[in-house]
Amino acid sequence: KNEVEQSPQNLTAQEGEFITINCSYSVGISALHWLQQHPGGGIVSLFMLSSGKKKHGRLIATINIQEKHSSLHITASHPRDSAVYICAAPAQYGGSQGNLIFGKGTKLSVKP
Amino acid sequence: DAGVIQSPRHEVTEMGQEVTLRCKPISGHDYLFWYRQTMMRGLELLIYFNNNVPIDDSGMPEDRFSAKMPNASFSTLKIQPSEPRDSAVYFCASSTGGGETQYFGPGTRLLVL
Repeated sequence: KNEVEQSPQNLTAQEGEFITINCSYSVGISALHWLQQHPGGGIVSLFMLSSGKKKHGRLIATINIQEKHSSLHITASHPRDSAVYICAAPAQYGGSQGNLIFGKGTKLSVKP
Repeated sequence: DAGVIQSPRHEVTEMGQEVTLRCKPISGHDYLFWYRQTMMRGLELLIYFNNNVPIDDSGMPEDRFSAKMPNASFSTLKIQPSEPRDSAVYFCASSTGGGETQYFGPGTRLLVL
């Protein structure tokens, strides 16, 4: 069964800083998910990626399948980016990809 | 579309009572997921359905938990009898495929006293 590790657990940044959150997993996968959980509790899917890089606004997600590692970057961070960022990977290689294992999350706080 | 709809948003009950959580997935989505989130364990998959059929219920903690999906637009998660350790936020999510982007509902915050 896959194990998903995130670092750091907590991250405090000043507005405008470049942010990197890391995620590693133990079992080969077809796609990795990045989610954002707002302070109010709502969860939004940010990215699903299986190779290379994806960009949406100031958010960039990269994945290295060989190294079983993914990163989420935030450029020009803003206080509204303050949230918990969670990565998730399928529980096992092959089989149904719907059974996701979640990392513990990275709590980001961006100060003005 | 209104997104995934969950009810109730908050539930406070006493130990031993039956609790029923409800979910309406996004129309056209054929996968539905139930998750539980606690401070200690984070997000955990409880069960998921494909075309109303349960595919993987290995995350259901014990027999006190049951889930049904009688049709494509409705699912329930029932806890009977409830215990204080069931206190958590329960999320429902839906997607168009098993490995596709999941859309989460707002969650139900359950407190069992």
